[in-house]
Amino acid sequence: NAGVTQTPKFQVLKTGQSMTLQCAQDMNHEYMSWYRQDPGMGLRLIHYSVGAGITDQGEVPNGYNVSRSTTEDFPLRLLSAAPSQTSVYFCASGQMGMYGYTFGSGTRLTVV
Amino acid sequence: GIQVEQSPPDLILQEGANSTLRCNFSDSVNNLQWFHQNPWGQLINLFYIPSGTKQNGRLSATTVATERYSLLYISSSQTTDSGVYFCAVATGNQFYFGTGTSLTVIP
Repeated sequence: NAGVTQTPKFQVLKTGQSMTLQCAQDMNHEYMSWYRQDPGMGLRLIHYSVGAGITDQGEVPNGYNVSRSTTEDFPLRLLSAAPSQTSVYFCASGQMGMYGYTFGSGTRLTVV
Repeated sequence: GIQVEQSPPDLILQEGANSTLRCNFSDSVNNLQWFHQNPWGQLINLFYIPSGTKQNGRLSATTVATERYSLLYISSSQTTDSGVYFCAVATGNQFYFGTGTSLTVIP
């Protein structure tokens, strides 16, 4: 039982490049979400999903896209990376009602 | 969104001491959870506690939903308790996190 798996763990991008952060869970959780963590600001919700085919925006969605084609996977796409997107990104999943909320180990992204 | 304030922002304890961390929130919520982020960055769910009191070993938590606050108690602290403790609240499908309490336990 792997829980929530995020890849890659570290990434350096040049401004304007695109990339996808991967998130997969094997707990059959309906709810999945992406956060970014910046120093002194706690975690802020980017996007979330309550099931396959259903996504919605969180607090800071600009510059990020998501999709949820399966229960297990919830990738986060940066279409044109900016230095302001330098952060640590966490994926999390949970049962409906966000019970049993489980985080992945994070992706440290640097945009230069 | 819901405002979440945690106090104190930083705390340094001698091993064996007790501590109380506080979380105040600005609106009614139906979900409140406490998380611990260890020094390696991993976030672990400690409690799901929208109301009432729960205990798990040396940790316990109390939420008074009508007064919009929650408390996390750590007794007989150990060095492994070091890290950042986050409170997160939600009314629907969005969690709002506080900025955390950074705890350092000294041997």
